[in-house]
Amino acid sequence: DAGVTQSPTHLIKTRGQHVTLRCSPISGHKSVSWYQQVLGQGPQFIFQYYEKEERGRGNFPDRFSARQFPNYSSELNVNALLLGDSALYLCASSFRELRGETQYFGPGTRLLVL
Amino acid sequence: AQTVTQSQPEMSVQEAETVTLSCTYDTSESDYYLFWYKQPPSRQMILVIRQEAYKQQNATENRFSVNFQKAAKSFSLKISDSQLGDAAMYFCAYRTPNAGGTSYGKLTFGQGTILTVHP
Repeated sequence: DAGVTQSPTHLIKTRGQHVTLRCSPISGHKSVSWYQQVLGQGPQFIFQYYEKEERGRGNFPDRFSARQFPNYSSELNVNALLLGDSALYLCASSFRELRGETQYFGPGTRLLVL
Repeated sequence: AQTVTQSQPEMSVQEAETVTLSCTYDTSESDYYLFWYKQPPSRQMILVIRQEAYKQQNATENRFSVNFQKAAKSFSLKISDSQLGDAAMYFCAYRTPNAGGTSYGKLTFGQGTILTVHP
């Protein structure tokens, strides 16, 4: 079975541009979460979506937005890119949103903002 | 707010030996979940082991086991018979049960410990 997939794997953008990152969860999983991992640090929670609704939001500016589609795939959008947005963006999926359910991570998208 | 601290930025171990990675956390909750994730240089984050706070028994998964001390808010990972493939960054993570609010589904991670395995 395929795990969580993310596209693209790498991306280079310039300041002020917009970027869209995509995530496909494990088949049957209905919940998707997004994390930002700056080099040398632990991942920071950005969003969680379950059944196409936003269920959780981390401490990120409004330039960050996301959505989940009927097939449970998800997009993370970042507007007006800043140099500090350079990071590995991780997507994680889980079957539902039960208590403490394990999240399974994708390989990530490496974003470089110049 | 919950915080997770990994006080060992780097650890090393000889192949076939045992190593313990430390993790402490701060929370006012009594019900929560703790995880250890492994992130090899390929960057894919892989679940190693999980522990439910309401279970007193320490979780084990083959060569991996935890020492969960709820009162001390400590959650260390022991790797026995270390293998070269164990070399990676290890993250400790905390999660509350889904109780609504903006933290729904949130994993809080520590800063990570880089583990080097010497042949």
